[in-house]
Amino acid sequence: GAVVSQHPSWVICKSGTSVKIECRSLDFQATTMFWYRQFPKQSLMLMATSNEGSKATYEQGVEKDKFLINHASLTLSTLTVTSAHPEDSSFYICSAGTGTVMETQYFGPGTRLLVL
Amino acid sequence: GQNIDQPTEMTATEGAIVQINCTYQTSGFNGLFWYQQHAGEAPTFLSYNVLDGLEEKGRFSSFLSRSKGYSYLLLKELQMKDSASYLCAAMDSNYQLIWGAGTKLIIKP
Repeated sequence: GAVVSQHPSWVICKSGTSVKIECRSLDFQATTMFWYRQFPKQSLMLMATSNEGSKATYEQGVEKDKFLINHASLTLSTLTVTSAHPEDSSFYICSAGTGTVMETQYFGPGTRLLVL
Repeated sequence: GQNIDQPTEMTATEGAIVQINCTYQTSGFNGLFWYQQHAGEAPTFLSYNVLDGLEEKGRFSSFLSRSKGYSYLLLKELQMKDSASYLCAAMDSNYQLIWGAGTKLIIKP
């Protein structure tokens, strides 16, 4: 089956630093990658959608200058949280899709970010 | 607006059957997904329905009624490992997934 990896799985950083999270599709080419954020006891919130080689499409209310997304290849997308603050502490999950409606998105294991 | 409703929490007994309901309102419709999410982990895919009716997959079944904007996930022969949150998500006309807040299922011995 399709496997998506994320790295790191856990990160603790000081306020004001930047954190980069990688999302890789290991055995398929992902036409589209999605970045979600999930706060405790809440549903997934889509942050942005990225297609390989083009700029990401951000959801309303998500600051594109704060959450930098790069989708440089069909197997790798990165999310950089710039100048992280405690309120950015959350569970960040990526998913990858092949663009076919009938298929589901394949989720990475998630990255838990704690900003002190 | 687009909206997904599902109960916040349900409790069931090991070995029993539980039905988790979901109602949706979306701009267009391209299918209804159910995901399972254990605490601290990413969601895992359970089922996809785009036509009316019941899809059975082992102990789990999913039902869809497009005219009613309604779906349910049926879990049979409950096991303790089924304790998790179950997320309902509808795909709209732009192929975006609209997520429900999830139903936390607690299984008691």
